[in-house]
Amino acid sequence: EIVLTQSPDFQSVTLKEKVTITCRASQSIGSSLHWYQQKPDQSPKLLINYASQSISGVPSRFSGSGSGTDFTLTINSLEAEDAATYYCLQSSILPLTFGGGTKVEIK
Amino acid sequence: EVQLVESGGGLVKPGGSLRLSCAVSGFTFSSHSMHWVRQAPGKGLEWVSSISTSSRYIYYADSVKGRFTISRDNAQNSLYLQMNSLRAEDTAVYYCARTTYCGVDCYLTYFDYWGQGALVTVSS
Repeated sequence: EIVLTQSPDFQSVTLKEKVTITCRASQSIGSSLHWYQQKPDQSPKLLINYASQSISGVPSRFSGSGSGTDFTLTINSLEAEDAATYYCLQSSILPLTFGGGTKVEIK
Repeated sequence: EVQLVESGGGLVKPGGSLRLSCAVSGFTFSSHSMHWVRQAPGKGLEWVSSISTSSRYIYYADSVKGRFTISRDNAQNSLYLQMNSLRAEDTAVYYCARTTYCGVDCYLTYFDYWGQGALVTVSS
């Protein structure tokens, strides 16, 4: 099973600050890494697929990078509506696995 | 508009059974592999099961193998999860999720749409 380790677990950030979340895979997964945003009492929403591909309708301040075992989600200029928990997902092999999540709070 | 609507959640005693349904609309159901993903209260996301477009390929997480059964009815645009021998640790919100289109029986890719979730509580 591929283990995805996200860091940090929690981040308290001021508005307009840049946020960086990392996801490290226990073995190489190429670019089969996707990012989701989940707000309280809502289902997850896709932000980035295949490590760096942007999704229609997702604000351009969200971007992804990385390949192999190390991946990054960046939120440029944090807005209030970005307060949420962020998860990475690998689809390289079964079982599909998620990172433990990173909760982003507005300071 | 793509919609996935789960139903069938509720309170069940340990050892009991429950069947979740996911009714979909707004897309060609038979063209997409589908999954169940769960989230225990206050916890992260856990993949539960996958079923390919033709039901040819079916997979389960080790934590539910032998107790849960995934199925689909392409004519009825519906996905199901039969859950037997339920345990307290199965308590969670269960989401159905659609795999983005990637070809017949393709399932190893990302989820592009999720339902709103159905709460399953296993408690005596």
